[in-house]
Order: sequence, then C-alpha cells, then structure tokens
Amino acid sequence: DTGVSQDPRHKITKRGQNVTFRCDPISEHNRLYWYRQTLGQGPEFLTYFQNEAQLEKSRLLSDRFSAERPKGSFSTLEIQRTEQGDSAMYLCASSTQGAGAKNIQYFGAGTRLSVL
Amino acid sequence: DQQVKQNSPSLSVQEGRISILNCDYTNSMFDYFLWYKKYPAEGPTFLISISSIKDKNEDGRFTVFLNKSAKHLSLHIVPSQPGDSAVYFCAASATTGGFKTIFGAGTRLFVKA
Repeated sequence: DTGVSQDPRHKITKRGQNVTFRCDPISEHNRLYWYRQTLGQGPEFLTYFQNEAQLEKSRLLSDRFSAERPKGSFSTLEIQRTEQGDSAMYLCASSTQGAGAKNIQYFGAGTRLSVL
Repeated sequence: DQQVKQNSPSLSVQEGRISILNCDYTNSMFDYFLWYKKYPAEGPTFLISISSIKDKNEDGRFTVFLNKSAKHLSLHIVPSQPGDSAVYFCAASATTGGFKTIFGAGTRLFVKA
C-alpha cells in the first residue's frame, strides 16, 4: 500500500501530557498537510510543508502545536501540555507539485486523540 | 469566518434518483474547487474538482457545477447508489494562497435502496 499512513491510529492521553503523531506521505509527494477535524466539522487546516520547509501555519494554531518534516519525507506533529479541547481527529494529507497539477490531496486515515 | 459553507448537514435520496449537494463560498480569490468523499474510519478521498475557468466538470455519474457570480457550486450524482452513502466535503483553494485548502463542514448523504 503506497498511500498516506499515520501512526498511531488512536491515542489516549491525560491532560498535560505531550503527544507526537507521525505521518508518512506518498513517496513522490513534496507537499504535506496537517488538519484537525472535530465532530460535525470538516478538516481544519493546521499547517503545510513543501519539502522540508513549513510554508504556512494557521493563525488559530496554539504555540503548543509544532510540526516538523526534517528530510522532506515523513512529518511529525507534536502537541505539548495537551488540553481536553485538543481531542479531535488529526489528519495528514500529501500532494504533488507538477506542471498543470492541481492541489488534489491524498489523506491518511487519521490519528484520533482523546485527552482525558 | 466560514469561507466554505455546506448548509445541509444531511440528505436522503432514493436509489436511482439524483443527489444534489450544495456548497457556497465567500472568498473571491478561490480558483479551484474540490469534492471529497469520506467513509467512516477512513480519511477523505478525492472525488472530482473544477477550476474557476470552467462552469461544469463531469466524471461518470458525478458532475460538479460552478456558478462564480453566485459563489456557489453543486455536486450532482446520478443515478445515486447505496454505496454513495458517505459524508461529502466541499473544498476550495486559491493558487495565490499557497494551495491551502479550506473545507466545508460536510453533508452526510444517505442513499436508500
């Protein structure tokens, strides 16, 4: 399977703990995105990378959130000092940049975070 | 500020009939629009897209219509099949905006056999 993979699929943590999620994009894709989705809502943009460069970060994103894509391949999303409001599905997506290519993103199945 | 709105949380349609899902947007800079389909426990999957230079794009049973003056797009599925039952997200992006994509809240489609 060469799709986008996310690990773990589920994470339960206590308030105040740090968590880290991993995303492995489709190998030839140079763009990688993180989204957060809560019940009844669509994916909410968090940040995106082109290769290893983080080009945009949502203004709504707390300083407790940080993302990296050190070698332009996999990415990690870390949430420090988790709060109950961080409970959500965290989705990763990747896309390719090319002549005439449009921004069709391919999503992973997501990591569901529950903060107790 | 919801830039992409899907005002119908759910839609129920009989198998074989047409399903019409609607989406409105507010940002005139959006120039590319997409529809994604999501089944439970899976990530969204791309369904169909349309560029702002077109007003219609068709792919099999799926057609997307774009009305730029009204800032409105719709997805038509005909004929609808039970396997089409899923959540459908409308999404929009602006080429000048770095390809950030804004999603609507989704419409859950039920196709009854």
